[in-house]
Amino acid sequence: DTAVSQTPKYLVTQMGNDKSIKCEQNLGHDTMYWYKQDSKKFLKIMFSYNNKELIINETVPNRFSPKSPDKAHLNLHINSLELGDSAVYFCASTPRTGTKEQYFGPGTRLTVT
Amino acid sequence: DAKTTQPNSMESNEEEPVHLPCNHSTISGTDYIHWYRQLPSQGPEYVIHGLTSNVNNRMASLAIAEDRKSSTLILHRATLRDAAVYYCILRDSGAGSYQLTFGKGTKLSVIP
Repeated sequence: DTAVSQTPKYLVTQMGNDKSIKCEQNLGHDTMYWYKQDSKKFLKIMFSYNNKELIINETVPNRFSPKSPDKAHLNLHINSLELGDSAVYFCASTPRTGTKEQYFGPGTRLTVT
Repeated sequence: DAKTTQPNSMESNEEEPVHLPCNHSTISGTDYIHWYRQLPSQGPEYVIHGLTSNVNNRMASLAIAEDRKSSTLILHRATLRDAAVYYCILRDSGAGSYQLTFGKGTKLSVIP
């Protein structure tokens, strides 16, 4: 069973388009995140959601809008895609109690042409 | 999150022990030391974490200096599958959110 899954795995699109990346976790976790890993391999937090509520929004352009329809899902919608949005996007989740270790998805490689 | 310093890269022979160092001289009393690794083309995965005492699990051991200003991740027998980027991260246990602040990490190469 996949703990944190993301779709699609690869996404190639043109500048100006709108696209979404989906994330689902079957671990019963309360908190979910989106991270971005750029071409230099730096991993940066973008958003953090706790029980469907946004609790962190790092300095991310408002073209990026996370949406959490329920506790198990955190989708990322990106409007008016730009070349600089090309990166690998990782979803992650954390339990409310315990070690707070994060479980990451396999990533979605977004290429904007 | 407080800053950590790690070597950019390290090499190890297969089946030898590996000691991955991390300096965190500005660590605060409530910071936990977490280690994650990222295998090629995969998402990061949790390895181990600790606060003050040394820790062991099935993947690795974590040795924490007495003053907590440095720590060492120990892989007891490196395998080819251990080739990855290893991240040492400080996470404030008092923080309301648990997001991780990743540095550049140490790229570990394992030589057959």
